[in-house]
Amino acid sequence: GNSVTQMEGPVTLSEEAFLTINCTYTATGYPSLFWYVQYPGEGLQLLLKATKADDKGSNKGFEATYRKETTSFHLEKGSVQVSDSAVYFCALSQGAQKLVFGQGTRLTINP
Amino acid sequence: DTAVSQTPKYLVTQMGNDKSIKCEQNLGHDTMYWYKQDSKKFLKIMFSYNNKELIINETVPNRFSPKSPDKAHLNLHINSLELGDSAVYFCASSPLQGDRVREQYFGPGTRLTVT
Repeated sequence: GNSVTQMEGPVTLSEEAFLTINCTYTATGYPSLFWYVQYPGEGLQLLLKATKADDKGSNKGFEATYRKETTSFHLEKGSVQVSDSAVYFCALSQGAQKLVFGQGTRLTINP
Repeated sequence: DTAVSQTPKYLVTQMGNDKSIKCEQNLGHDTMYWYKQDSKKFLKIMFSYNNKELIINETVPNRFSPKSPDKAHLNLHINSLELGDSAVYFCASSPLQGDRVREQYFGPGTRLTVT
């Protein structure tokens, strides 16, 4: 079946550092890919998405590119802020009317 | 206006009790979901409804019974609560584009604690 694997956390960085959170997936065909963010005590919010190969999703300084050849959708940000501290989830959808989530990566940014 | 709302936000109850969690979305979406998030933050789908019709039931114990009175509401009733049911439960909704799921919009969650 379809699955998503994210890099294990927790990840701790200093403010203004470069961020990469790895995400790889297993799926047949062409899934849509998503990054969601969950701030403490809140529900998940869509951060960005890509629906076909080579698409780049971007939002709030975060980017991720849909790489079919490596089945990856890594999340990057050039300069993180304390307010980016949250749990980040990679997910895919492919018909079946559901999302499959990765295990989440907790990110902590220190001032 | 809150797009996806859940009540209650916190629920503390004893083993063996029956409880319900309510969810409402005002986005006009056709599809609604229930997810369970465990203490390690792992998020797993439980149910999906499309226009009040059950589409997905991911091997959830039959103590859990979703009910959709209309396409804007999806409630979750849990019978005979067990310690292992303690988790955060999220409701979500999404539009469909053909047979592909578009992005999902999540409620704020209900933290259930069973003692």
